[in-house]
Amino acid sequence: NAGVTQTPKFRILKIGQSMTLQCTQDMNHNYMYWYRQDPGMGLKLIYYSVGAGITDKGEVPNGYNVSRSTTEDFPLRLELAAPSQTSVYFCASSYSRDRDDYEQYFGPGTRLTVT
Amino acid sequence: LAKTTQPISMDSYEGQEVNITCSHNNIATNDYITWYQQFPSQGPRFIIQGYKTKVTNEVASLFIPADRKSSTLSLPRVSLSDTAVYYCLVGYGSSNTGKLIFGQGTTLQVKP
Repeated sequence: NAGVTQTPKFRILKIGQSMTLQCTQDMNHNYMYWYRQDPGMGLKLIYYSVGAGITDKGEVPNGYNVSRSTTEDFPLRLELAAPSQTSVYFCASSYSRDRDDYEQYFGPGTRLTVT
Repeated sequence: LAKTTQPISMDSYEGQEVNITCSHNNIATNDYITWYQQFPSQGPRFIIQGYKTKVTNEVASLFIPADRKSSTLSLPRVSLSDTAVYYCLVGYGSSNTGKLIFGQGTTLQVKP
């Protein structure tokens, strides 16, 4: 299993540009998440999904959009990039909550700079 | 909304036991407590999870008092490779998936 993969690893955007961060997991996990991590800070939840076709907002959703058309993929869309979105973005996945197993598996991250 | 508070940093020496405490005063009834380890330029990695009392696995122990307003991660006999940032995460109770709250992280420096 490759686990959770993210592309790209690095990206520089100009203000106002848009892009999609890709995330794929091959563990058949129901739950998927997007976090951002600013320098020296903890992770903040942007969006999450409990299954294909179902997404919901986390703590910091403004400026982002997500979709979940398949179990494996959970792309994060940035529209009109702003310098405040400069951060490292992590995607994660986990089993269904009903299993009482909340271990999240994280991808390697995407480092995004908006200038 | 649950808020978690951890010490910013801790120092230790190889072979010592390290205890890192996380405060989570507003923890919801059904919330779980999970701890993660993160190395530079990597995603966090799961260490241990608990709901109440004590949980132990092959790498750590997690102590949760009866009021559940705090939790303590215990790392026995640390080595240099345990130098990392440690995060507590509170959430998952009933409808709280969207309210997952990471602490700001504790940077553990293990010295020889």
